[in-house]
Amino acid sequence: AAGVIQSPRHLIKEKRETATLKCYPIPRHDTVYWYQQGPGQDPQFLISFYEKMQSDKGSIPDRFSAQQFSDYHSELNMSSLELGDSALYFCASSSHHAGTNTGELFFGEGSRLTVL
Amino acid sequence: AQKVTQAQTEISVVEKEDVTLDCVYETRDTTYYLFWYKQPPSGELVFLIRRNSFDEQNEISGRYSWNFQKSTSSFNFTITASQVVDSAVYFCALRSGNTPLVFGKGTRLSVIA
Repeated sequence: AAGVIQSPRHLIKEKRETATLKCYPIPRHDTVYWYQQGPGQDPQFLISFYEKMQSDKGSIPDRFSAQQFSDYHSELNMSSLELGDSALYFCASSSHHAGTNTGELFFGEGSRLTVL
Repeated sequence: AQKVTQAQTEISVVEKEDVTLDCVYETRDTTYYLFWYKQPPSGELVFLIRRNSFDEQNEISGRYSWNFQKSTSSFNFTITASQVVDSAVYFCALRSGNTPLVFGKGTRLSVIA
């Protein structure tokens, strides 16, 4: 079965540069979530989208923005990168449909961003 | 507000020992889901189990078992006869309705041969 696809898997950037992470949810999933996991930390919720509209907002810095496109894929844009942005970024998807909503979030393998 | 507490930061056991990872949760919602994830050194989050708030039946899957007790707001995870491959960080997580998943701080399990 198709899973959540994240790209790139690894990314190295310099301070003050910009980075974009992409997420392709499981087909027919209508909701996408972004999480940030710093070294030795638990995953922290950043932002989510339901049917291409922002649904929840967590601890996402103002330097970051995200959106969900018409094909349901999502992109997380990070600007003016700082050393502290080095982390594993997870995307997850789920379905809100009554018939398929199991409550579960399906996670991608993550994108590891290193800021030098 | 929702909260998940994993009081054990690190646990170290010798291979073949049993080990229990504790998880206590807080939520005001009557409908919610509890999860356990395993995160090996490679970094991916591996889904282990989902339990909804209306199902307090304990579950066993091979060497893994889970004890869900609403009376104490706990959802503990036991690994029987631990193996070196069980070494990982284990996260307990909570979700109410369609809200984002909230993770505990995680418990790092080291199984020594």
